[in-house]
Amino acid sequence: DQQVKQNSPSLSVQEGRISILNCDYTNSMFDYFLWYKKYPAEGPTFLISISSIKDKNEDGRFTVFLNKSAKHLSLHIVPSQPGDSAVYFCAASAAGRDDKIIFGKGTRLHILP
Amino acid sequence: ETGVTQTPRHLVMGMTNKKSLKCEQHLGHNAMYWYKQSAKKPLELMFVYNFKEQTENNSVPSRFSPECPNSSHLFLHLHTLQPEDSALYLCASSLVGGTSTDTQYFGPGTRLTVL
Repeated sequence: DQQVKQNSPSLSVQEGRISILNCDYTNSMFDYFLWYKKYPAEGPTFLISISSIKDKNEDGRFTVFLNKSAKHLSLHIVPSQPGDSAVYFCAASAAGRDDKIIFGKGTRLHILP
Repeated sequence: ETGVTQTPRHLVMGMTNKKSLKCEQHLGHNAMYWYKQSAKKPLELMFVYNFKEQTENNSVPSRFSPECPNSSHLFLHLHTLQPEDSALYLCASSLVGGTSTDTQYFGPGTRLTVL
């Protein structure tokens, strides 16, 4: 049973607009959440994280929002750029417990010109 | 060389072959990881090494055998694999293992096909 779910396998967004990638989780013990980005033929690279003590974390064009009651997080990219076209993985962990990072299946983001 | 490198990038092997995947990190990290990514599945953690000691074996079949001779190198020895073992095998490293808040840096992966 998947503990981290990314229900949209792909998403297409116009360049310059906002991209919103969603992620749901089932394990209430998760308290640390990450987003990774992956280009073809490369390994995933860390993008942004958020601890459960916060509900928002911002880094440049990237903002992650966490809704603990809904067990939902989202990644906002504003404005979307062609180089943002990649696969985005949501991941979660129960930091300080078993510490394994559990990944979602990923969402492929296409930025349209 | 910088970052995390993996060789080979692509590997095709028969079920009776023995092969090894190699990972090297040039980041001065002390923890290294093997992940498996099968088609349409999430990344799955296989093994964790922290200061050369194996700290995690995520119920991986014995036909996968990891080796960590030092903090910079990690191997995955493969023998008698099955076609369902075909996947992308990713290596990662982090400064210190045992804490998921420590950013993991991934290599490009080895695409393995078992015939």
